[in-house]
Amino acid sequence: DAGVIQSPRHEVTEMGQEVTLRCKPISGHNSLFWYRQTMMRGLELLIYFNNNVPIDDSGMPEDRFSAKMPNASFSTLKIQPSEPRDSAVYFCASTKGGNEQYFGPGTRLTVT
Amino acid sequence: KQEVTQIPAALSVPEGENLVLNCSFTDSAIYNLQWFRQDPGKGLTSLLLIQSSQREQTSGRLNASLDKSSGRSTLYIAASQPGDSATYLCAVPLSGGYNKLIFGAGTRLAVHP
Repeated sequence: DAGVIQSPRHEVTEMGQEVTLRCKPISGHNSLFWYRQTMMRGLELLIYFNNNVPIDDSGMPEDRFSAKMPNASFSTLKIQPSEPRDSAVYFCASTKGGNEQYFGPGTRLTVT
Repeated sequence: KQEVTQIPAALSVPEGENLVLNCSFTDSAIYNLQWFRQDPGKGLTSLLLIQSSQREQTSGRLNASLDKSSGRSTLYIAASQPGDSATYLCAVPLSGGYNKLIFGAGTRLAVHP
């Protein structure tokens, strides 16, 4: 199995631009999670899906952030408009049946 | 509210030492606990998952124990090697299912030759 796949691995954009991060979970996994990691705040859960349905988006910082999961093999996290304080590493993770979570390599986002 | 604390925050040891990393959590009503490893600039790698009904799990030189009643878990690393240098994080799920994980801040380990 290829594991959780994220793209792009690095993204540099200017403030105000739209950013879209992509994730492909492990085949057969039914839950998908988006996390953000910064030095100041550590790892924070932004949103998670179960069977493609958003269950809890209470961690999404504000309305500029949105996430979708149109099917079992693909999810996006969109930031519009982006701001410098959104700079972080964004991780996607997946799991099956509430067991071990498997993380992708992350997307390092820099907003200038 | 579940809070996860890891002690120490950083650890530097010579190669060959046996290590203990500590993780504590405030709400003992967990159904599992997971230990991860994160190398600089990389994602998280799952090391061990302990179910609430288990006392410990072992994988190679790693042994993780769980004491739910006291809200503690330890990760024991035997005969440490420079390749073990990384940040180690523990995480517990919030009650309510779906494995929504709450992470500790991690222990940054450096093993020098």
